[in-house]
Amino acid sequence: SQQGEEDPQALSIQEGENATMNCSYKTSINNLQWYRQNSGRGLVHLILIRSNEREKHSGRLRVTLDTSKKSSSLLITASRAADTASYFCSVGGSQGNLIFGKGTKLSVKP
Amino acid sequence: GAVVSQHPSWVICKSGTSVKIECRSLDFQATTMFWYRQFPKQSLMLMATSNEGSKATYEQGVEKDKFLINHASLTLSTLTVTSAHPEDSSFYICSARGVGPGTGGTDTQYFGPGTRLTVL
Repeated sequence: SQQGEEDPQALSIQEGENATMNCSYKTSINNLQWYRQNSGRGLVHLILIRSNEREKHSGRLRVTLDTSKKSSSLLITASRAADTASYFCSVGGSQGNLIFGKGTKLSVKP
Repeated sequence: GAVVSQHPSWVICKSGTSVKIECRSLDFQATTMFWYRQFPKQSLMLMATSNEGSKATYEQGVEKDKFLINHASLTLSTLTVTSAHPEDSSFYICSARGVGPGTGGTDTQYFGPGTRLTVL
């Protein structure tokens, strides 16, 4: 399975702190994507990083990709209570679908 | 940006009835739509892949006669849960990939807000 696996499963921090989530996958990829899901809602696309990229930024988000270790990390800087959500990494499946990890549940306390 | 809608957002039905969920791409043509299912505190699992004008491809373990998928146009795919049972209660999410302004290319999928199905 190419399934991405996030670590940690749950993370609780104070507002203003940084949050780091890690993702590992098993096979070669063209790109890796991170999504956010608020409780009971759909997924919001955060960032896509291609296999030939090592780092990508979008606002307070920083994603790194290490294809030699088959791992990626998502860093949220200066977290806010509104960042409370589950975060999923995903890699491409054989049908063009996305294969998701189990997610990291982030709780940011005001 | 590209927007995908789902209807209904939630539905409660009796065991044995059928429920239809619609997934629409609002401002782009969705050549491919995906249907996922998410049980509480779990990740999304692909159920089937739907290409416009052709039969859906179902993942192993997903009954095609129970979960009927119709992708009749480039902006609409429907999932019908037939003879629903309590174990079908779940969060169903569709995503769409296609062409058009703001779609970001075929690498990006756009997700609907999901449909919460509760079968009593």
